[in-house]
Amino acid sequence: GDSVTQMEGPVTLSEEAFLTINCTYTATGYPSLFWYVQYPGEGLQLLLKATKADDKGSNKGFEATYRKETTSFHLEKGSVQVSDSAVYFCALSDFDSNYQLIWGAGTKLIIKP
Amino acid sequence: EAGVTQFPSHSVIEKGQTVTLRCDPISGHDNLYWYRRVMGKEIKFLLHFVKESKQDESGMPNNRFLAERTGGTYSTLKVQPAELEDSGVYFCASSQVNYNEQFFGPGTRLTVL
Repeated sequence: GDSVTQMEGPVTLSEEAFLTINCTYTATGYPSLFWYVQYPGEGLQLLLKATKADDKGSNKGFEATYRKETTSFHLEKGSVQVSDSAVYFCALSDFDSNYQLIWGAGTKLIIKP
Repeated sequence: EAGVTQFPSHSVIEKGQTVTLRCDPISGHDNLYWYRRVMGKEIKFLLHFVKESKQDESGMPNNRFLAERTGGTYSTLKVQPAELEDSGVYFCASSQVNYNEQFFGPGTRLTVL
């Protein structure tokens, strides 16, 4: 079945550092890919998404490119801020999963001033 | 427009007791989903309603869990009797169309002692 694997955390960076959180997936179909974020004390928010190969999703300075050849959707940001501290989840959905979201384990990001 | 709301935000109960979680989706969203995250693991799908009908309940762990969505509006998820392994965060989400973006509530943190 479909699955998502993302790098384990926590990831600790200094402010203004470059961020990469790796995410790879396994799917039999052509999934849509998502990054969700959960800030402390809040619910899950969609950060960005991509629905087909080579699409780039972007929001709030974060980017991720749908790479079908490497089955990856890595999250990147050029200069992180303390306010980016949160848990980041990679997820996919497709017809084979009946459009349920299939989730990675989440990566906790800690940004130090 | 109000977002997805969940009640309570936190529930602490003893093993063997019953707990009922409630989710109010965004008005007009026919699709309602329940997910849960147990012990820092990945978020797992529980079930999906379309209006008042259960479209997919393949993720329900066992018959101690009962979900309803009377009238196709709010939904409840009852756990009876609760076990220690039921502790976690229960998320509700809604969408207009099944393959559209799912909007999440803040979650209910359930602690079973």
